[in-house]
Amino acid sequence: DQQVKQNSPSLSVQEGRISILNCDYTNSMFDYFLWYKKYPAEGPTFLISISSIKDKNEDGRFTVFLNKSAKHLSLHIVPSQPGDSAVYFCAASLRNQGGKLIFGQGTELSVKP
Amino acid sequence: DTGVSQDPRHKITKRGQNVTFRCDPISEHNRLYWYRQTLGQGPEFLTYFQNEAQLEKSRLLSDRFSAERPKGSFSTLEIQRTEQGDSAMYLCASMSGTLYGYTFGSGTRLTVV
Repeated sequence: DQQVKQNSPSLSVQEGRISILNCDYTNSMFDYFLWYKKYPAEGPTFLISISSIKDKNEDGRFTVFLNKSAKHLSLHIVPSQPGDSAVYFCAASLRNQGGKLIFGQGTELSVKP
Repeated sequence: DTGVSQDPRHKITKRGQNVTFRCDPISEHNRLYWYRQTLGQGPEFLTYFQNEAQLEKSRLLSDRFSAERPKGSFSTLEIQRTEQGDSAMYLCASMSGTLYGYTFGSGTRLTVV
């Protein structure tokens, strides 16, 4: 069963506009959520995270929103830049599970100049 | 500190052969994880170590798979009698105390022909 889902395989956005990437989850016991960015032929790199006790976390151009009642989180990138073009993965962790992460399928973002 | 290093980057092998991958984590990280990623999917957890102890194995890790982390330093992942379904990117990650420090290597891409 897919506990973390990213239902949009791809997203195309114009440079300078906002990119919104979505993620849904089913397990209400997840205590931490992370977003990773992945370029081809490289491993995922950490982007931003949010604890389940918060509803928003911001870091420069990147903001993650968490809606626990809807079991939904989103990553906002504004303004989007061509260098943001990559695959973005949402991941979740459970407390006392040793740091094991459960990933979504990923969304490929393309930012066009 | 050069991050998490994985070797080889690419491996092509014939079905039925054995393969071994190596991961060198960030030196002060006591936790080491192995994930597998197939096309169009996010990374899937395989196993993790706390120092030299293997604390959890996914049901994805069949009897043909074995992982070790002697002396709590580098780790190896061996696949015996490879099958075409084993073709994937094998990712290693290491972590110290917090999820912020979760760092992935660039992965080993395995192709079984």
